[in-house]
Amino acid sequence: SQELEQSPQSLIVQEGKNLTINCTSSKTLYGLYWYKQKYGEGLIFLMMLQKGGEEKSHEKITAKLDEKKQQSSLHITASQPSHAGIYLCGADLNTGFQKLVFGTGTRLLVSP
Amino acid sequence: DGGITQSPKYLFRKEGQNVTLSCEQNLNHDAMYWYRQDPGQGLRLIYYSQIVNDFQKGDIAEGYSVSREKKESFPLTVTSAQKNPTAFYLCASSGGYSYNSPLHFGNGTRLTVT
Repeated sequence: SQELEQSPQSLIVQEGKNLTINCTSSKTLYGLYWYKQKYGEGLIFLMMLQKGGEEKSHEKITAKLDEKKQQSSLHITASQPSHAGIYLCGADLNTGFQKLVFGTGTRLLVSP
Repeated sequence: DGGITQSPKYLFRKEGQNVTLSCEQNLNHDAMYWYRQDPGQGLRLIYYSQIVNDFQKGDIAEGYSVSREKKESFPLTVTSAQKNPTAFYLCASSGGYSYNSPLHFGNGTRLTVT
């Protein structure tokens, strides 16, 4: 079973619409990282969250970590075609060294 | 510009052959990692290295080997013992022992074994 569950697995939204991707664990997340991947390429770091209740924004993307540090959400406002790709959450589960486990990813398509 | 270089981008091999994937970083990072990505399974950790001349097995190390003779280099060998080697392989590096240090990834190598 996956230690990090992402939902939805895929998403098609119309350009200009808002969307939210979720990342959930049954364990405490000591560091939560959001990445974006274009098909066949490497992962691009978006944001990192550490503290319960923390929220960070960059351009039109906002990431939040809940107070219990077991769930994170990534929200995109007014989506654009450039937002299309695969979004992955990665987390440090306090294994003693910075080894991240990853969710299975959410594939986002933005239609014109 | 600093970054991680993986080569080659595409690699084709016959079953039974060993193959080595290259990963070089000029970020002066202590830690380096190899992940494997398969459809529907996310990324899985193969090996990681915290420092030169030291490395540890990740979750799926069977059939793989690594070396860390230089800080900037962490090659991965996929041996004939790996039962399902066809996958997308990603190398990463980080500052290491710190929750403030995100992993930086290369652009990956897609290995196809027939």
